[in-house]
Amino acid sequence: DIQMTQSPSSLSASVGDGVTITCRASQSINNYLNWYQQKPGKAPKLVMYSASSLHSGVPSRFSGTGSGTDFTLTISSLQPEDFATYYCQQTHSTPWTFGQGTKVEIK
Amino acid sequence: EVQLVESGGGLVKPGGSLRLSCAVSGFTFRNYTMSWVRQVPGKGLEWVSSITRSSDYIYYADSLKGRFTISRDNAKNSLYLQMNSLRAEDTAVYYCAREHTLINFFDYWGQGALVTVSS
Repeated sequence: DIQMTQSPSSLSASVGDGVTITCRASQSINNYLNWYQQKPGKAPKLVMYSASSLHSGVPSRFSGTGSGTDFTLTISSLQPEDFATYYCQQTHSTPWTFGQGTKVEIK
Repeated sequence: EVQLVESGGGLVKPGGSLRLSCAVSGFTFRNYTMSWVRQVPGKGLEWVSSITRSSDYIYYADSLKGRFTISRDNAKNSLYLQMNSLRAEDTAVYYCAREHTLINFFDYWGQGALVTVSS
């Protein structure tokens, strides 16, 4: 199985800050990397797919980069609605696997 | 509007069975692979199973070891998850999700159904 490792596990930031979350795969997954946002008590929402493609309706302050084993999700200017937990997921090969999550908290 | 609504969750004793359903609307169900993803309360996401459009291909997480069965009824726009021999560690919120056919990301999710396995 492909292991996905996110860092950091949590971070504190202020509204307007830029933040970057990293996701590393245990083997090359090309660009089969997706990002989800989850708020407490809610279902996850797709943010980014294929490493760098923004899902419909997601603000352009979100961006993604990477290929192979190393990926990043960047939020250029945090807004109050962005405070949540973010998960990466590989869909290169089954079983589809997720990172452990990165909680973005308000400083 | 795309909607996925899970039902069938609840409290079940260890060793018991439960069947989850996911009713969908707002898109052509038969055109999409569908999946189940679970989340232990306070923990991360775990993919459970996926089923292709005509049920030709079915995939499971290895950890389930044949205890779970995914199925679908395209005439009823519904997805199912039959869970047998349930264990305490199966306690989780179970989400159904629509899976993109080629890239396999999950673009729409249900609200989740809580399954609690406890004596």
